Amino acid sequence: SQQGEEDPQALSIQEGENATMNCSYKTSINNLQWYRQNSGRGLVHLILIRSNEREKHSGRLRVTLDTSKKSSSLLITASRAADTASYFCATDGSNFGNEKLTFGTGTRLTIIP
Amino acid sequence: KAGVTQTPRYLIKTRGQQVTLSCSPISGHRSVSWYQQTPGQGLQFLFEYFSETQRNKGNFPGRFSGRQFSNSRSEMNVSTLELGDSALYLCASSRGTGEAYGYTFGSGTRLTVV
Repeated sequence: SQQGEEDPQALSIQEGENATMNCSYKTSINNLQWYRQNSGRGLVHLILIRSNEREKHSGRLRVTLDTSKKSSSLLITASRAADTASYFCATDGSNFGNEKLTFGTGTRLTIIP
Repeated sequence: KAGVTQTPRYLIKTRGQQVTLSCSPISGHRSVSWYQQTPGQGLQFLFEYFSETQRNKGNFPGRFSGRQFSNSRSEMNVSTLELGDSALYLCASSRGTGEAYGYTFGSGTRLTVV
């Protein structure tokens, strides 16, 4: 079962612009993680935010978490063609006896050069 | 350091056969998880092993099984293959369970059932 939904399902922007993706989830979490997947390959871990954190930065990535709304957002600033990929949020509810890493439906991001 | 290694990368099997996929985690990682990715269902959790013990299992039929060896390498087996088992199977390793380190994924095994 999918833990959450991601919005939008697909996003196309010009290179250099910022890209924002949103993720909503349903149950209590230990942490929330974002992953990138290039065209049918493995997933690359981008950033992890714990349930007691509200914002986290890593390079051009900024993640926010609102546990009261059960939602998170991923912002990629100054996008590059290499950022073209699918992005997934995943929740880890292991402390609550839930299955490990429940993924959202993903956002397909296309950066137009 | 070496990443998560999955073998084989591609596999074609016929209905009714069985298949075994292999995953070698990052050295020192004791947790190995398996996921199935299909266009229709997305990424679905199969099971997770830690120190040779299955700690969590997803909602898949008993045809899907796995194991972990003392060196943390893991295998998953699918018996009596069905067309719907065609998918990308991803393995992920982590230092431990319940710890917020994130997971490192392998490149996956693409299984096609014909």
